[in-house]
Amino acid sequence: NAGVTQTPKFQVLKTGQSMTLQCAQDMNHEYMSWYRQDPGMGLRLIHYSVGAGITDQGEVPNGYNVSRSTTEDFPLRLLSAAPSQTSVYFCASRPFAGTTEDEQYFGPGTRLTVT
Amino acid sequence: AQKVTQAQTEISVVEKEDVTLDCVYETRDTTYYLFWYKQPPSGELVFLIRRNSFDEQNEISGRYSWNFQKSTSSFNFTITASQVVDSAVYFCALSATSSGGSYIPTFGRGTSLIVHP
Repeated sequence: NAGVTQTPKFQVLKTGQSMTLQCAQDMNHEYMSWYRQDPGMGLRLIHYSVGAGITDQGEVPNGYNVSRSTTEDFPLRLLSAAPSQTSVYFCASRPFAGTTEDEQYFGPGTRLTVT
Repeated sequence: AQKVTQAQTEISVVEKEDVTLDCVYETRDTTYYLFWYKQPPSGELVFLIRRNSFDEQNEISGRYSWNFQKSTSSFNFTITASQVVDSAVYFCALSATSSGGSYIPTFGRGTSLIVHP
């Protein structure tokens, strides 16, 4: 199993550009989520999904869109990039959405810089 | 609402010292799980341990040990005889039913541990 994969690893955008961060998992996990990590702020949840076709907002959803058309893929779209979106982005998954006991499996992260 | 507090932003020790990373949590639920994750300088997040609310037994794994105390709502992590490879950011997380039907975990802000040779 590849686990959770993310592409790209690094990205530089200009303000106003749009892009999609890709996330895929091959473990048939129900639950997938996106976090951003900023210095001193820990991991903040952007969006999450409990299954194909079902998504919901997390703590910091503004400026981001997600969709979940398949169990495997959970892309994160930046609609119009802003310098405040400079961050490291992590995708994570876990086997079941409706349980509390499972740990999350994290992707390697995408380091995004918006100039 | 639930909350995880890691009051120590950064800890600096010299190799071979013992170090304890604190984690204090808040939840109304009686059933919940607590987790520790490690993020080394390479950046990936690695799961270390899970503990459920009904199991207060301490856990030891090599140089790592975890002390769960419901009376103080704490789940502290101790590294004995620290090594340079232990340098990382450590996150504590809580997953409980009151976080919503999809059991969204709550993360602390992390503690950066620096171990000097």
